[in-house]
Amino acid sequence: GQQLNQSPQSMFIQEGEDVSMNCTSSSIFNTWLWYKQDPGEGPVLLIALYKAGELTSNGRLTAQFGITRKDSFLNISASIPSDVGIYFCAGPRGNQFYFGTGTSLTVIP
Amino acid sequence: DAGITQSPRHKVTETGTPVTLRCHQTENHRYMYWYRQDPGHGLRLIHYSYGVKDTDKGEVSDGYSVSRSKTEDFLLTLESATSSQTSVYFCALAVQSTDTQYFGPGTRLTVL
Repeated sequence: GQQLNQSPQSMFIQEGEDVSMNCTSSSIFNTWLWYKQDPGEGPVLLIALYKAGELTSNGRLTAQFGITRKDSFLNISASIPSDVGIYFCAGPRGNQFYFGTGTSLTVIP
Repeated sequence: DAGITQSPRHKVTETGTPVTLRCHQTENHRYMYWYRQDPGHGLRLIHYSYGVKDTDKGEVSDGYSVSRSKTEDFLLTLESATSSQTSVYFCALAVQSTDTQYFGPGTRLTVL
């Protein structure tokens, strides 16, 4: 199935640092979604984006819908230990959802 | 979230035995999905349903069947489990009005 390309694959950062990750596709999406998955649990929806150029925040998280509609970005400011996990981007098309390969985030206290 | 539960949460079974996983939603959403998640492969769609008795295959449907006899329940069956089906299985539903998808807590299946 179609995969979204997500980078970086993994990040190791110090507590308090900011984090940036992105997701790209070869085709456009009309909606971009960002999820976080904690170990042993299901992905949890963080942010949904619906319009090219849109910037949406959820606490320390900010996501942007790229103006080409082929990419999206997620930033986490002032990281804390509980930010650890895998972050996925996703986009719906038709009846299905397509997922990025995930970015594994490790926060070092 | 969207009131999704999965049962069992953990299961160990032997090769060749049938296994059924259950997904239950408390809201009336039309679209439900089964995924498997494996290291290095991310989330892969097995089957999905777009209504009672309406289902379609995903990219990794071989060896799996599904049934949806009522809106709130979506069952995934492994007719004869194999070791390659050892995985974590997630159920999800789509909220059409917001173009979003919500996941259940997952079922960890081990086939010995």
